[in-house]
Amino acid sequence: AAGVIQSPRHLIKEKRETATLKCYPIPRHDTVYWYQQGPGQDPQFLISFYEKMQSDKGSIPDRFSAQQFSDYHSELNMSSLELGDSALYFCASSLKLAGGHTQYFGPGTRLTVL
Amino acid sequence: GNSVTQMEGPVTLSEEAFLTINCTYTATGYPSLFWYVQYPGEGLQLLLKATKADDKGSNKGFEATYRKETTSFHLEKGSVQVSDSAVYFCALSDLLMDSSYKLIFGSGTRLLVRP
Repeated sequence: AAGVIQSPRHLIKEKRETATLKCYPIPRHDTVYWYQQGPGQDPQFLISFYEKMQSDKGSIPDRFSAQQFSDYHSELNMSSLELGDSALYFCASSLKLAGGHTQYFGPGTRLTVL
Repeated sequence: GNSVTQMEGPVTLSEEAFLTINCTYTATGYPSLFWYVQYPGEGLQLLLKATKADDKGSNKGFEATYRKETTSFHLEKGSVQVSDSAVYFCALSDLLMDSSYKLIFGSGTRLLVRP
């Protein structure tokens, strides 16, 4: 079965650079979520989109922005990168018609900021 | 706000031992409850879920029962294998403004199974 696809899998950036992470949800899923997992920590909700509209925001810095496109893929844009942004970034998707509770996660993008 | 509390790890067991990882939650309303597993260097995989009180989720020999009276969702397995070594996260679904849900995770419990 098709799963959530994230790219790139690994990304190394310098401080103050920008990064773009991409997420392709499971086909027919209409909701996309982004989570950030710091080293040894639990995943923290950043932002979500339903039918290309921003749904809610968690503890996402103003330097980060995201959007969902007409084909339902989503991109997380991160600017003025800081050392503390080094983390594993997960995308997840769900289908609201199916209740929307169950989220399926991608393999994550590991961002390292030097 | 809603929250999840898990027992601290690491939990170290011998192969074929019985596993329990405790998880309790605080929530308004009636969230769905989940266990996710993260193998070294990999993403989060849904292990099992329960959507209402007294539901039992099960998968790959793992089980957890949604206990509303004790606000718990403890993970159990009768006989663990070395391949079960991973970090296990308990999570609950938290309603967002547009009726979709975000997940709130516990801190994770690392399980190490020795041969």
